Amino acid sequence: QLQLQESGPGLVKPSETLSLTCTVSGVSITSSSDHWGWIRQPPGKGLEWIGNIHYSGITSYNASLQSRVTISVDTSKKHFSLRLSSVTAADTAIYYCARLPVDYSVNYWGQGILVTVSS
Amino acid sequence: QSALTQPPSASGSPGQSVTISCTGTSSDVGGYNYVSWYQQHPGKAPKLMIYEVSKRPSGVPDRFSGSKSGNTASLTVSGLQTDDEADYYCSSHAGSNPYVFGTGTKVTVL
Repeated sequence: QLQLQESGPGLVKPSETLSLTCTVSGVSITSSSDHWGWIRQPPGKGLEWIGNIHYSGITSYNASLQSRVTISVDTSKKHFSLRLSSVTAADTAIYYCARLPVDYSVNYWGQGILVTVSS
Repeated sequence: QSALTQPPSASGSPGQSVTISCTGTSSDVGGYNYVSWYQQHPGKAPKLMIYEVSKRPSGVPDRFSGSKSGNTASLTVSGLQTDDEADYYCSSHAGSNPYVFGTGTKVTVL
């Protein structure tokens, strides 16, 4: 059964870089039909797509975050990662990693990790 | 790309039906048959309930149904149960912006 598990620091200082990793198990990360992505949710608010990556390395980013976001994939380690630079308090959110199939749905979600930006 | 518009809240008694709307534009909801719906219980990750406007993933009860007319998509929950009380979000493909989410609707079972 497919499982996604986020990992990384729960506290990041303002102006620093947020780094998270999502470990994929139960399915091949090199599936040609799937993308792997990040979605966030500020406490008490709605969902925001951050970006996604195909195992081939093709990426797509939310235009509002594009200048600060990098998503990468390591197929040998079966994980993909998120880096968000120059963070502010507005980046405080639960960050979910997810599988995104060709139908533009999000059919598997990690449990989420709360990242707080604070000094 | 603006968020899709959903009503903040909806409610119904057990056994009744509730319908949630998701309004976008011709550049997202109206332009593609890639509308999805998610259920989110407090403290939990969202769960896919509907994809491609009206398709249900395996394991989702047929009490959940989706439709679309023009720039507005809808999710109907029939035969409301207490466990249906949750937040619901729609999403749509929007061309260069692959995923646009709705503002969310809190469904209360009275």
